[in-house]
This record gives sequence, C-alpha cells and structure tokens, in this order.
Amino acid sequence: GAGVSQSPSNKVTEKGKDVELRCDPISGHTALYWYRQSLGQGLEFLIYFQGNSAPDKSGLPSDRFSAERTGGSVSTLTIQRTQQEDSAVYLCASSLQGAANVLTFGAGSRLTVL
Amino acid sequence: DAKTTQPTSMDCAEGRAANLPCNHSTISGNEYVYWYRQIHSQGPQYIIHGLKNNETNEMASLIITEDRKSSTLILPHATLRDTAVYYCIVRVVGGAGSYQLTFGKGTKLSVIP
Repeated sequence: GAGVSQSPSNKVTEKGKDVELRCDPISGHTALYWYRQSLGQGLEFLIYFQGNSAPDKSGLPSDRFSAERTGGSVSTLTIQRTQQEDSAVYLCASSLQGAANVLTFGAGSRLTVL
Repeated sequence: DAKTTQPTSMDCAEGRAANLPCNHSTISGNEYVYWYRQIHSQGPQYIIHGLKNNETNEMASLIITEDRKSSTLILPHATLRDTAVYYCIVRVVGGAGSYQLTFGKGTKLSVIP
C-alpha cells in the first residue's frame, strides 16, 4: 500500500487478556520497527526486523511481549496477560534497507488496558 | 548517540518562518542529524536529514553549523497544519543498532493565527 497500515486503531481490553496488533509495512520495505509511546512521553524502541536476519528484540520490556514478521512483510506484536502499564500507542514503521534511517510510521494502535 | 537539546516549546505566527534550534555538542563525525515531527494523534513524519551541508526539500531547510554542534530546522512559511512536536535526532547510518532512533521530548511548535 501507499503507507504503513496498522490495526486495530483502538483497542480496549481488560487486564490479563492477550492482544494482537498488526502492521502492514510499505511494499518493498525490508526493515520494520515497533515503537511505543506512553501518554506524554517520547517514543520507546521495542523491536526491529531486517529481511531474514534475526530480529533485535532488545527493546521489548518483558517476556509478555513478542513479535513476528511473516514472509518478510506483515508483522504482529502480541502482548500476553496485559497490564495497565501496557496502555500506550504502539507505532509501527518501515524503511528501505540502507535508506539512511528514513522511517515511515503508521498512525499507531492505541491500547487501553482497564 | 549524541545527546540533543531542544526547547520545550515555541510559538510562531502563521505565515512567518519557524526556526527550531537543536544543540548536539557531542556529535561525532559519522553521525547525521535527522528531524521528524509528530502531529497530534498521528505517527511521526520524517522531515529532513543532513551530515554537514545545509539541506533543503519541499518541507523545510536544515542549517548545520560549521562545527556541527548545533542545527536549525526552518519552516519557511508556517501554517496551522505545522503545529506539532518536532524531534531532532542524531544517529549514525549503518552499523549495529543504528536503527534504534532515540526520540526525546522534542519541541512543541504552536503556529498562531
């Protein structure tokens, strides 16, 4: 597509439930990133995928968080046993390999954990 | 990453040039300066980047001082739609971990009618 697409745009869930957030990157972009932004805060790096290389998961805050990227395209961020502190906007971005860190971001998925 | 310092907020009159400063006094020779902005309720948007030469594109101009310790993003004719938080980021290109852009608090620019 023309841009990075994320779904759902809004998700309200109860504490303890699992959630899945989806990201469709720009066609042809080999790099995919997940960030999150808590209310009034800056962006926090979560995970990075580049082609067939092993992802960099160093930013994932706990083992309740995991992400996959299937076929080098669509990515899913999964949060298990959600906690209230997981409430944030989860942003996905993609870039061309070697494109000098020019990231194109999606509009984000706003997660609210009650 | 070199640490960047930006003012917390700025106002600019509609139609006037908006000049957003960024200090990066510890920048190293292979680090680029990037600018992104985030309009309310949207994802960040890339604006421009440069190494040591001044750069211009359809959105803005980037002026980097000769010693590279600071830079200024210039929006030549600010409109109300330019109201956003502007992030100055310094980062190497390539190499391990170079993709982990660190977004600080940025400058909240308010364009006033």
